[in-house]
Parts: sequence; structure tokens; C-alpha cells
Amino acid sequence: AQTVTQSQPEMSVQEAETVTLSCTYDTSESDYYLFWYKQPPSRQMILVIRQEAYKQQNATENRFSVNFQKAAKSFSLKISDSQLGDAAMYFCAYSIAGNMLTFGGGTRLMVKP
Amino acid sequence: NAGVTQTPKFQVLKTGQSMTLQCAQDMNHNSMYWYRQDPGMGLRLIYYSASEGTTDKGEVPNGYNVSRLNKREFSLRLESAAPSQTSVYFCASSTSHTNTGELFFGEGSRLTVL
Repeated sequence: AQTVTQSQPEMSVQEAETVTLSCTYDTSESDYYLFWYKQPPSRQMILVIRQEAYKQQNATENRFSVNFQKAAKSFSLKISDSQLGDAAMYFCAYSIAGNMLTFGGGTRLMVKP
Repeated sequence: NAGVTQTPKFQVLKTGQSMTLQCAQDMNHNSMYWYRQDPGMGLRLIYYSASEGTTDKGEVPNGYNVSRLNKREFSLRLESAAPSQTSVYFCASSTSHTNTGELFFGEGSRLTVL
């Protein structure tokens, strides 16, 4: 069974600074998908960024980027120029073909003004 | 832009009572899902419906039943609620179950079983 581990239950960052959230996963598959979802205090989850395992290039979405290390099975999320609106729970998720996502336990990010 | 709508948002039940969580999406998505969220455990899939007329068990289906009423609606029923079912429940939808892409989530339903 696939597992996704987020080792940081909580992180904090100063506004405008950069923070990295960690995620590791365990799989025997060679082709899969990785995601970071954000859950703001309003509780509706939204997709932040998506990475296909067959792509070597790290995905980037504006201030959000990932560091995908396939051999190490690591998928960290970097948030640059942190903003107050980035405060949320962040979930790393894994999936092979199809939408049966396996989620990590989440990291609560606090942004200090 | 309604997206995925869940009702009710909050519910308190006594052990043994039954209830149904309703979910509707207006994005013409084929696939729908029910997850539960517990502290430190992320989201776990309860049931999913890959397409209208089909339902399948996820990781934690025991104690739940689902109905895909039509393409828009996917309900989750607790026949005899237990304290272990205290959780936040999320409905989600996607264009296709086989096309790994974005899931769209509802705002969640907080259920407490006393």
C-alpha cells in the first residue's frame, strides 16, 4: 500500500519569507502523480500544484514550486514571498492512474505578519 | 459558482441514530467521492462513484453506504452512527476517475456522534 508522510505537523514563516514543507511517499510504482492541496480555515480544499512522476522538471505555479526527488521519494513544496493568505493546512497527496488519492497527515502553516 | 455543495455543514447525532449527508456538483463531472478527515490522518476515501450508476468502496467503507442518485448527486448514509464516525466529511468530484487531475471539494460537513 502506498503511504504519504508529512513529518512537520506545524510550520511557521514570516510574511515575505520562504518556507518549505516536506513530504515523502512510499511506492513501488514508476508512474504516478503527486499533489499539494491547500485547506484554508474556510475548509474547502483547493489544488496548489501537481507533478507527474515521469517529468523531471519540477512544477511551478507562481510563488509555489516543488522539489521532486524521485529516487529519494521526496516531494517538498516551497512557498516564496509568503503572504498572510497562505496560512492553511497543506496536504501532500499521491495517486497512480485515476483519482484514488492517498493523503498525508497535513502540515499547518502559520504566517506571521 | 456553486461547485460542490454539501449539506448539512454541522450535525450532532446520538449513537445509533442514522443520517444522510448530501452532496451535489454542478460541473457536469462524472466521478464523485466521499472522504473523511481526522486529525493527523489526512483524508481517507470512504466510497467513490466513478460514473453515474456505479459505486465502489474506498479505504474506510465500514459503517457507511452511498447512493449515486444521478450525475449531480452523491449521498453518504450512516445507518447506525458510532462515536468513531465523528469526523469532518468531504465530498469531491472530478471530470473522470481514470484521468488523474484535479479534485474539486465541498466545504465539508462536521459530524459529531455522542
